[in-house]
Amino acid sequence: SQELEQSPQSLIVQEGKNLTINCTSSKTLYGLYWYKQKYGEGLIFLMMLQKGGEEKSHEKITAKLDEKKQQSSLHITASQPSHAGIYLCGADGGWGNKLVFGAGTILRVKS
Amino acid sequence: EAQVTQNPRYLITVTGKKLTVTCSQNMNHEYMSWYRQDPGLGLRQIYYSMNVEVTDKGDVPEGYKVSRKEKRNFPLILESPSPNQTSLYFCASSPAGTGDEAFFGQGTRLTVV
Repeated sequence: SQELEQSPQSLIVQEGKNLTINCTSSKTLYGLYWYKQKYGEGLIFLMMLQKGGEEKSHEKITAKLDEKKQQSSLHITASQPSHAGIYLCGADGGWGNKLVFGAGTILRVKS
Repeated sequence: EAQVTQNPRYLITVTGKKLTVTCSQNMNHEYMSWYRQDPGLGLRQIYYSMNVEVTDKGDVPEGYKVSRKEKRNFPLILESPSPNQTSLYFCASSPAGTGDEAFFGQGTRLTVV
C-alpha cells in the first residue's frame, strides 16, 4: 500500500523566517493534497497538485510536486503565528476511492 | 453554510458499550469517509462510501461498522468498543471521490475506559 513520509516531524521557527516541509511517497502520486489542522480540530484544505512539476501558491504558502511525482514540498515565506498548526499531506491511491495521509508536521512559530 | 457535522464532539464510554458517532453533510457529496487520528500515525482511513448503499473498508476497519442509507449521513458504529479505539475521529466528504477537495468535520474525541 502507498505510504507517505513527512519531514520534519516538528518545527519551531522564529516569526518572519521561511520554512519547508517535505512529503515523500513510496509510490507515484496521482494527486497530492496539503491540509492544515489546528490542534484538535478538523482539517482545512490548502491545495491540490496533480501534475509533475506543478506549483501552486496560496497567500504565503507555496507547494510543489516534483517531476517524478513522488515528492512534494510545502514552503512558507515569512512565517506568522497564524501559520502554526499541523500540516498533513494526503494522496489519492490512484483509484479515486482511498486517501492516505502522512503523519503530519507540527509547526510552531515563535513571536 | 457548507459543512460536515459530527456528533458528539467528545465522548467517554466504557468497554463493550455500543456507540454511534453521527456524520452529516449538506453539500450533496457522493463520497464520504471516516478516519482516526493517533499521535505519530497521522490519519488512517477506517471506511469510505462512494455513494448510497456502497461502502468499503479502508486501512483500519476492524471493530467498526458503517452504513450509508442516505446520501447526507454516514454514521460510524462501534459495536463493542475497546480501549485501543480511543482516538480522535474525523468524518469527511467530497463531491465524487478522492480526486476532489475533501471537507472535514470538527472531529470526535472518543475515550474508551
